[in-house]
Amino acid sequence: GAVVSQHPSRVICKSGTSVKIECRSLDFQATTMFWYRQFPKQSLMLMATSNEGSKATYEQGVEKDKFLINHASLTLSTLTVTSAHPEDSSFYICSAISGYTFGSGTRLTVV
Amino acid sequence: DAKTTQPPSMDCAEGRAANLPCNHSTISGNEYVYWYRQIHSQGPQYIIHGLKNNETNEMASLIITEDRKSSTLILPHATLRDTAVYYCIVRVTNFGNEKLTFGTGTRLTIIP
Repeated sequence: GAVVSQHPSRVICKSGTSVKIECRSLDFQATTMFWYRQFPKQSLMLMATSNEGSKATYEQGVEKDKFLINHASLTLSTLTVTSAHPEDSSFYICSAISGYTFGSGTRLTVV
Repeated sequence: DAKTTQPPSMDCAEGRAANLPCNHSTISGNEYVYWYRQIHSQGPQYIIHGLKNNETNEMASLIITEDRKSSTLILPHATLRDTAVYYCIVRVTNFGNEKLTFGTGTRLTIIP
């Protein structure tokens, strides 16, 4: 139980476009989800906490207008990287139940 | 959250026990010790957690020292699939909605 499904697993996009990443809780309801970013050979860094029905809480240094988070239902949180640039290329991971279960990650490459 | 210190890398022979240490000397009395691992290009996987007592599950054993300032994760019979980065984290809640802070972890390589 407590499975989180993340989609897509890989995405390549052109610089200046936007990309949406979905994180779904399959067999439970998640009022809170967490979004992490991981650059090559580095550890996971928390970007934001997604709260169902309210605004996300962003960590210091994370641009909320660039990384749009929507948590409109108890089973779905989305992260949209707007106007993506090559420096946004990274591995994005979502989590629910604060660390009990993680998504499989999304490898974003911006060209 | 209390900080943790782990060796950056370790090797272990396949079939042997892998013992991964973690130092958390500033841990508070109400903080749990959690272990995760991350296989290359995948999301982290929860392994085990404990507060004071030693714990064991189907994946691993967790040994916490009496003063709780350090712990050891034991993979009893390491396989090649156990090659991963292992993270030790201390946190207040028992799977509550608390944000996690990942350190740099230990890169464990299982040698055939």
